[in-house]
Amino acid sequence: AQSVAQPEDQVNVAEGNPLTVKCTYSVSGNPYLFWYVQYPNRGLQFLLKYITGDNLVKGSYGFEAEFNKSQTSFHLKKPSALVSDSALYFCAVRDMGSGNTGKLIFGQGTTLQVKP
Amino acid sequence: EAGVAQSPRYKIIEKRQSVAFWCNPISGHATLYWYQQILGQGPKLLIQFQNNGVVDDSQLPKDRFSAERLKGVDSTLKIQPAKLEDSAVYLCASSLRGLAGNSRFSYNEQFFGPGTRLTVL
Repeated sequence: AQSVAQPEDQVNVAEGNPLTVKCTYSVSGNPYLFWYVQYPNRGLQFLLKYITGDNLVKGSYGFEAEFNKSQTSFHLKKPSALVSDSALYFCAVRDMGSGNTGKLIFGQGTTLQVKP
Repeated sequence: EAGVAQSPRYKIIEKRQSVAFWCNPISGHATLYWYQQILGQGPKLLIQFQNNGVVDDSQLPKDRFSAERLKGVDSTLKIQPAKLEDSAVYLCASSLRGLAGNSRFSYNEQFFGPGTRLTVL
């Protein structure tokens, strides 16, 4: 079964420092991987995706993610964190199982806290 | 372009009562999703529509939950009767395309609405 794990409930980082939010996945075949961000009382916003090609994917708001097939990981990164990046981040994988309907399977989320 | 609209934003009911949520997807989006997000967890797909047909409802508790998308545009999700464990945020999402000619999805990003926060007392 396809699954995605976010091993950290919360990540704390000082403003201006680099940040990493971790994600590992388990899928059969080639994965389609995504990152979404959720601000309080708002819906999820798409950040970036990996479908194929370059292992380093660039997305919105200066975020990027590195696909590592050997480690089955897709960590979210940003070179310099902003206080406004504080939010809940979700990693997701497209379900390639029976029916192949394209639905997403989400991790449990990681809260990013950026302190001034 | 207008985003995915949902209403109401908040709802408080007592257990065994009924409740309905409404979603209007982005214009032209063929695929519509309803997710349940319990506090501290990631969203879980309840049901997926392609136009007005159901593509996946494998995780929908059909004894109490129902959903429809009669004209292939907006959709309603109903819970009857509600249980305490139904307290969650209900997210609606839409995407541009769905089933391709060979019945495989070509992927398009899902755009999410703000959600409806349901509290069952």
